[in-house]
Amino acid sequence: DIQMTQSPSSLSASVGDRVTIACRASQGIGNNLGWYQQKPGEAPKRLVYGATSLQSGVPSRFSGSGSGTEFTLTISSLQPEDFATYYCLQHNTYPRTFGQGTKVDIK
Amino acid sequence: EVQLLESGGGLVQPGGSLRLSCEASGFTFSNYAMNWVRQAPGKGLEWVSTLGGSGSTYYADSVKGRFTISRDNSKNTLFLQMNSPRADDTAIYYCAKTDNYYGSGALDYWGQGTLVTVSS
Repeated sequence: DIQMTQSPSSLSASVGDRVTIACRASQGIGNNLGWYQQKPGEAPKRLVYGATSLQSGVPSRFSGSGSGTEFTLTISSLQPEDFATYYCLQHNTYPRTFGQGTKVDIK
Repeated sequence: EVQLLESGGGLVQPGGSLRLSCEASGFTFSNYAMNWVRQAPGKGLEWVSTLGGSGSTYYADSVKGRFTISRDNSKNTLFLQMNSPRADDTAIYYCAKTDNYYGSGALDYWGQGTLVTVSS
């Protein structure tokens, strides 16, 4: 199985900060990776697909980069509505595997 | 607008059975692979199963042999039959759509989830 290691597991940041979340795959997955945002009590919402493509309707302050084994989600200027937990998910092989999540909270 | 509405969750005894449903709307259901993903209380997301449009099925090792994914394209509904559930199957179960027919794609839209509690 492909292991997805996400870091950090949590971070505290202020509105306006630039935030970077990393996800490392235990073997190469090409660009078969998505990023998801989940707020408390809500279903996950896809932000990025194909490692770098922004989901329609998602603000442009979100961006994804990387391929192979190293991936990054960047929020260029954190907004109040961005405080949430973020997950990466590889869909290169079965079983599908998620990163353990990164909780972004208010500093 | 894509909508996925799960139902069927509740309290089930260990060793019992439960069937979850996910009613889909806003897209041509038969043209897409579908998934179940779960989240134990206070924990992260865990993929459970995928059913491709062609009928191919995939399962997490933790549920293989106990859970069965199926679909009724005439009713735009996805199912998860849970047999012999265990306490560690307690979770919110989400239905999620894949962005292609074969199941090789990414999960794009998710339902709001249904809570399953396994307890005596």
